[in-house]
Amino acid sequence: DAKTTQPTSMDCAEGRAANLPCNHSTISGNEYVYWYRQIHSQGPQYIIHGLKNNETNEMASLIITEDRKSSTLILPHATLRDTAVYYCIVRPAYSGAGSYQLTFGKGTKLSVIP
Amino acid sequence: GAGVSQSPRYKVAKRGQDVALRCDPISGHVSLFWYQQALGQGPEFLTYFQNEAQLDKSGLPSDRFFAERPEGSVSTLKIQRTQQEDSAVYLCASSSIRAGSYGYTFGSGTRLTVV
Repeated sequence: DAKTTQPTSMDCAEGRAANLPCNHSTISGNEYVYWYRQIHSQGPQYIIHGLKNNETNEMASLIITEDRKSSTLILPHATLRDTAVYYCIVRPAYSGAGSYQLTFGKGTKLSVIP
Repeated sequence: GAGVSQSPRYKVAKRGQDVALRCDPISGHVSLFWYQQALGQGPEFLTYFQNEAQLDKSGLPSDRFFAERPEGSVSTLKIQRTQQEDSAVYLCASSSIRAGSYGYTFGSGTRLTVV
């Protein structure tokens, strides 16, 4: 079972920031939060991951609450090409049995509107 | 190539037919994964290779599904006696780190339709 809860869908105006929430209230201390997205007819694409500190890269920012029970993926200036399903995934940090699996839920379908 | 390549892109099989789906991972990637994605659902794990060794096949739905990676590079997912419920997109992913904490690179998948 997926260990995360995300809204089914969201809309965002082009050029505005898209803030995608994720609840992971049962996350363990050794689990990372990963975000992937899947554009129509393509495979999932890695976006960003974090453990407890906020992270930023060229694609997005990841804000993790202090208690680590929820996080928000921020796309600072959404474009039409950001229309996709966004998956929030928790995954163990250690390299042991089962740590390599990614357990996808249904994700959030983000529609960027012109 | 620069990414994970999967072929064919689309496959239509008659029920009962055997199919073979190919994955070319990024050169040098140690880890390789197969996922199955039904329509409207997120991908689900099928199996994991580290080099040529199949370390986990717990996600394979039945003994009709078989995967191999004999030389630690190209992998083939074979489905025998296909059924309609096998219709899905089959995704392959590879990683340069052994089960590490970096993101995986996925291919665009093979869409299998069983008629």
